[in-house]
Amino acid sequence: QVQLVESGGGLVKPGGSLRLSCAASGFTFSDYYISWIRQAPGKGLEWVSYISKSGDSVKDADSVKGRFTISRDNAKKSLYLQMNSLRAEDTAVYYCARVRGGYALDYWGQGTLVIVSS
Amino acid sequence: QSALTQPPSASGSLGQSVTISCTGTSSDVGGYDYVSWYQHHPGKAPKLMIYEVSKRPSGVPDRFSGSKSGNTASLTVSGLQAEDEADYYCSSNAGSNLVFGGGTKLTVL
Repeated sequence: QVQLVESGGGLVKPGGSLRLSCAASGFTFSDYYISWIRQAPGKGLEWVSYISKSGDSVKDADSVKGRFTISRDNAKKSLYLQMNSLRAEDTAVYYCARVRGGYALDYWGQGTLVIVSS
Repeated sequence: QSALTQPPSASGSLGQSVTISCTGTSSDVGGYDYVSWYQHHPGKAPKLMIYEVSKRPSGVPDRFSGSKSGNTASLTVSGLQAEDEADYYCSSNAGSNLVFGGGTKLTVL
């Protein structure tokens, strides 16, 4: 069955960096766009970034542009999110999700919590 | 990238129907047929319920239906069941970006 498992979350100081990972199984990873979405405490879902099947095309939300970098390793069936210059407002549960086409996210991971605080 | 507008809350009794709206603009909801709806029980992974305005993924009960008129999309849940109580989010593309609604907490009375 399709599984996405995020890891790498934790507590980081403002201005710091963190790298999230998402391990995929149960499907042909290289056949799908993959996306990162986050949910701040008590808030709704916010799209962060997505990456094309081969990794040659990415799209980021304005709120993270220039600070976050999405990447993937199809051989390892893994997705990454390098987060730099972190701010308190980046505190959230970060989910990875498979894009089924038509911008629909058909499978999601359980999420990993990132807390940005001094 | 403004969020789509959803009512913060909605409610209905067991067995009744409820409709949740999702209002955007001609640059997102109104301009494309790529509206999706997600069910999110806190602490669990969100689940895709509707994609491309009105299509249901395999395994989603036909009690869930979607529609769109102009810049507003809607999710209708018929025959409400206790397990339908959750947060519901709409999403749409806005060009090549993705935008979500603020979410609606559905309470089953």
